[in-house]
Amino acid sequence: NAGVTQTPKFQVLKTGQSMTLQCAQDMNHNSMYWYRQDPGMGLRLIYYSASEGTTDKGEVPNGYNVSRLNKREFSLRLESAAPSQTSVYFCASRANRAGELFFGEGSRLTVL
Amino acid sequence: KQEVTQIPAALSVPEGENLVLNCSFTDSAIYNLQWFRQDPGKGLTSLLLIQSSQREQTSGRLNASLDKSSGRSTLYIAASQPGDSATYLCAVRPGANNLFFGTGTRLTVIP
Repeated sequence: NAGVTQTPKFQVLKTGQSMTLQCAQDMNHNSMYWYRQDPGMGLRLIYYSASEGTTDKGEVPNGYNVSRLNKREFSLRLESAAPSQTSVYFCASRANRAGELFFGEGSRLTVL
Repeated sequence: KQEVTQIPAALSVPEGENLVLNCSFTDSAIYNLQWFRQDPGKGLTSLLLIQSSQREQTSGRLNASLDKSSGRSTLYIAASQPGDSATYLCAVRPGANNLFFGTGTRLTVIP
């Protein structure tokens, strides 16, 4: 049972480059989330998708875009990477409003 | 905005001790509260989820309590083991779609 799968696990970019982080869940969950984790700041919500076909901004959406491709997949795109986007990115999913949040293993991104 | 605080930031205990980790939050109007464990370089693993109508949840050696009125939750770990060494995070959900996380308590259990 894979749960939440993220790719890639590691990525190094130069300032201005673009890339997409992929996330897929096999638990038939309705809601999916993208968080970033920075030392001393905890996890912060970037974007979320409450259900297939919808996306909304979270706490720190600037510089990112998302796509809910289908019920399983939710991608995060950096159009023009900046050093401030160096972070560990986590995808998560939840079945419903009362449910537990399940996380992927994370994607470590460095922007030079 | 909801603020979540976990004190202490780090804790070391000898193996076998019982211990309590603390989580406090500023707005008592929460939907639920979830405790996670994070090992270095890894994702978050859900430990316990407490709905707002519940007072506590138990799983094995773990017991989490919730006092909404005082804005507090505790995670009790019985008979600690070196394998319990990790960072423990609490997160509160005030509404439909976001969780607010604390910055965690880094636990080291000394053999």
